[in-house]
Amino acid sequence: EAQVTQNPRYLITVTGKKLTVTCSQNMNHEYMSWYRQDPGLGLRQIYYSMNVEVTDKGDVPEGYKVSRKEKRNFPLILESPSPNQTSLYFCASSLQGPGPLHFGNGTRLTVT
Amino acid sequence: QKEVEQNSGPLSVPEGAIASLNCTYSDRGSQSFFWYRQYSGKSPELIMSIYSNGDKEDGRFTAQLNKASQYVSLLIRDSQPSDSATYLCAVNRDFGNEKLTFGTGTRLTIIP
Repeated sequence: EAQVTQNPRYLITVTGKKLTVTCSQNMNHEYMSWYRQDPGLGLRQIYYSMNVEVTDKGDVPEGYKVSRKEKRNFPLILESPSPNQTSLYFCASSLQGPGPLHFGNGTRLTVT
Repeated sequence: QKEVEQNSGPLSVPEGAIASLNCTYSDRGSQSFFWYRQYSGKSPELIMSIYSNGDKEDGRFTAQLNKASQYVSLLIRDSQPSDSATYLCAVNRDFGNEKLTFGTGTRLTIIP
């Protein structure tokens, strides 16, 4: 089944404790992206990747890191999480460019 | 001015009627336009994509694009209770800009 898989689905952590949210797609998509969704603010792009080893900042990249060492994987790293990073995170992919996106099931992160 | 604007709603429509959702965007260079549906607690899923002026129909859904007026709309005919969701408009500029910008969404409720 074609899908984007994010893990974990729920994560509660404390301020400053490094964490990684994994994202993997099995559709051989070139484009992958991370979004955060907050009430009243909608979906905001954090980082995106056009292909392996090619990443770029979205609209809200501060406090986040990404890597794209393999085509299928695009992990999101929070080196020192803060409470303002409490949010619902989505990974998404598309065949080429930010075209029709396939979304993962989301990761609800709480930073206390 | 926001890059992509939608009326947050809620928009209430009787079952069987036509629901009309609107989206305006600020960048005249925008080339690709998408409508996503998001049920509460779920990830967004693509409904329609449109790239040229005019109407595009897919089942009960019609997307309308007017680049001169910088708006894109989604019509849902014969609205069903299962159409109750938040509808997200997304816009991409193409030509080297690989960011996809979302509106904050319109919450639609279909009244039985």
